[in-house]
Amino acid sequence: DVKVTQSSRYLVKRTGEKVFLECVQDMDHENMFWYRQDPGLGLRLIYFSYDVKMKEKGDIPEGYSVSREKKERFSLILESASTNQTSMYLCASSPRPGSGELFFGEGSRLTVL
Amino acid sequence: GENVEQHPSTLSVQEGDSAVIKCTYSDSASNYFPWYKQELGKGPQLIIDIRSNVGEKKDQRIAVTLNKTAKHFSLHITETQPEDSAVYFCAASRQAGTALIFGKGTTLSVSS
Repeated sequence: DVKVTQSSRYLVKRTGEKVFLECVQDMDHENMFWYRQDPGLGLRLIYFSYDVKMKEKGDIPEGYSVSREKKERFSLILESASTNQTSMYLCASSPRPGSGELFFGEGSRLTVL
Repeated sequence: GENVEQHPSTLSVQEGDSAVIKCTYSDSASNYFPWYKQELGKGPQLIIDIRSNVGEKKDQRIAVTLNKTAKHFSLHITETQPEDSAVYFCAASRQAGTALIFGKGTTLSVSS
């Protein structure tokens, strides 16, 4: 069965802290994505990766970076968390460009105080 | 870049009625249009998708129509049931499996 796992469902951090959100998929997918979801704004693309060591900026990359050292793992990094980064973060993966659906994890709800 | 507009933002129907959600997109190169359903506490799940070489696709009570000339596509749910209550997102991309640009979502409530 397809599985995208986000290691933390709920996190509370302080302003200025460095935050790591981890995502692992067990389907040998090439593509991985990070979105943030806010009420009334839908899902907005932060970063994505079509291969190991490769990354591309999405629509709202400011304040974020990513790391993809291994095919199955895609990490979202907040170098210095701010209150406006309080949100639900969703990771997704898909097999390869040209192939089918994005599979989403259950999300990580981050609160920055 | 691509921009996807979705309407309405909320939709309330009685069980058994039909529900229609509409989306427009801006990038004429977009060729793939999926619809995702998100239940409370879960990530979005694909329910149906359509590619640009097809005008309509149906899967049981769910259908999607696409008008490439007008750059809009719609989700139709017939004989709605309480378990259809969820947030629905439309999306667009140039190719299946690549980064999707999503609409802002429609909260569908089906009352029995």
